Amino acid sequence: DTAVSQTPKYLVTQMGNDKSIKCEQNLGHDTMYWYKQDSKKFLKIMFSYNNKELIINETVPNRFSPKSPDKAHLNLHINSLELGDSAVYFCASSRDRVPNYGYTFGSGTRLTVV
Amino acid sequence: AQSVTQLGSHVSVSEGALVLLRCNYSSSVPPYLFWYVQYPNQGLQLLLKYTTGATLVKGINGFEAEFKKSETSFHLTKPSAHMSDAAEYFCAVNTNSGYSTLTFGKGTMLLVSP
Repeated sequence: DTAVSQTPKYLVTQMGNDKSIKCEQNLGHDTMYWYKQDSKKFLKIMFSYNNKELIINETVPNRFSPKSPDKAHLNLHINSLELGDSAVYFCASSRDRVPNYGYTFGSGTRLTVV
Repeated sequence: AQSVTQLGSHVSVSEGALVLLRCNYSSSVPPYLFWYVQYPNQGLQLLLKYTTGATLVKGINGFEAEFKKSETSFHLTKPSAHMSDAAEYFCAVNTNSGYSTLTFGKGTMLLVSP
C-alpha cells in the first residue's frame, strides 16, 4: 500500500508535446510538493500546496502548471516540452504546512524529452 | 536563509569500514535536520531526523547522526559499511519559518568496495 504514488514512472516524449504526471498520497498529510532532480542529483523545489492552496511557486516556466483537486492529489501538467525539461520529478508530502517531520517521497517520474 | 553543505560529492569506503558523511548547515534559528538515502532509480527515503531533544539520533539500517550546534554540523555515521549501503545520501534542513520547505544539500554518493 504505497504512501505516495506517482504515475507514470517513466515518460518519453517528443519536444513540443504536452504531458501530465499524477501524484496521490494516502497518509492524510496536509501539504504536497513537486521537486525536480537534475542530472547531477540536485533537488529543486517547484511547487507546494497546502490543503489545495498553492503556497510555494518557485521560479518555474509558465509551461508548468500544478493542480490539486483535493489534498490527497497533486498533478503536474507540462506544456510544450523542451529538452531541458528532461529530469526526474518527485512528488512529496508532509504532515503539516511546515515540514518539521520531513517529507515522504514518491518513487519519481523520469521524464525524457527527445 | 538556510543552506546545507555536504562535503565530498563522492565517498569511498571498504566493506566493514566506518562510514562518515559530512553535513554542515547555515541557519539563524534552531534547525530541524534530516538525512535521506536514495537508491538507484528510487525515491528518497528518510534515514533519520533531529527535531529537538537528544542530539545523537539513531536511524534505520544502523546509521546515526549527531547534532552539534557549536559546529553547525549533522554528520552521518555507520560503524561498519555494507555493500547494500551504496547509494546517494542527502542532508536537509528546515527552520520552521512559516511557509517553508526542506533545503537539500547536493548529495554525497557512497561507494562501497568489497
